[in-house]
Amino acid sequence: EADIYQTPRYLVIGTGKKITLECSQTMGHDKMYWYQQDPGMELHLIHYSYGVNSTEKGDLSSESTVSRIRTEHFPLTLESARPSHTSQYLCASSVTRTGFNEQFFGPGTRLTVL
Amino acid sequence: AQSVAQPEDQVNVAEGNPLTVKCTYSVSGNPYLFWYVQYPNRGLQFLLKYITGDNLVKGSYGFEAEFNKSQTSFHLKKPSALVSDSALYFCAVRAPGEAGGSYIPTFGRGTSLIVHP
Repeated sequence: EADIYQTPRYLVIGTGKKITLECSQTMGHDKMYWYQQDPGMELHLIHYSYGVNSTEKGDLSSESTVSRIRTEHFPLTLESARPSHTSQYLCASSVTRTGFNEQFFGPGTRLTVL
Repeated sequence: AQSVAQPEDQVNVAEGNPLTVKCTYSVSGNPYLFWYVQYPNRGLQFLLKYITGDNLVKGSYGFEAEFNKSQTSFHLKKPSALVSDSALYFCAVRAPGEAGGSYIPTFGRGTSLIVHP
């Protein structure tokens, strides 16, 4: 079934730890995105990718990094987590093809850094 | 630069009454416009889009939106609200990539819709 997955759904971790948030999609979409969202608030784009080996920073400055080695996989890494990183992280994908254009979102990862 | 405004942080409506969630935009060229809904502790779900054609667009769950080029608006509407429609609604815009615009959409701040029984 075509979908977009994020793991873990919830993560509680101590300050200074390195973490990787996973995002995978089975739709063959070329574009993928990471957003940061505090509960009930607006979305902030932190990273995006137009395809394999393409990554760009978004509007919101972030201490995270991303990679796009495979079309379906777009992990986000925090080298040293801090309490200010506590938030929800949403992954999305889209395809540029006539009749499409909308984004498909994963369920999100709720990160708490103690 | 492209931008989206959702002027209401919250909209309250009684069940069975019509609802409107407002969205205005600014973009170079013809806009691609989207509405998404977010339920608590979930990602966003696509509701509907306007790319070209008929100004009235119908989407999921009985929602529709009207594209008004002169007013640069794309308001979301539903004739009869349900309690289960209570959620956070986001409007988004982007320029057509073929016109040299970015493929990255800009989202509004979101509007919380509360439908009272």
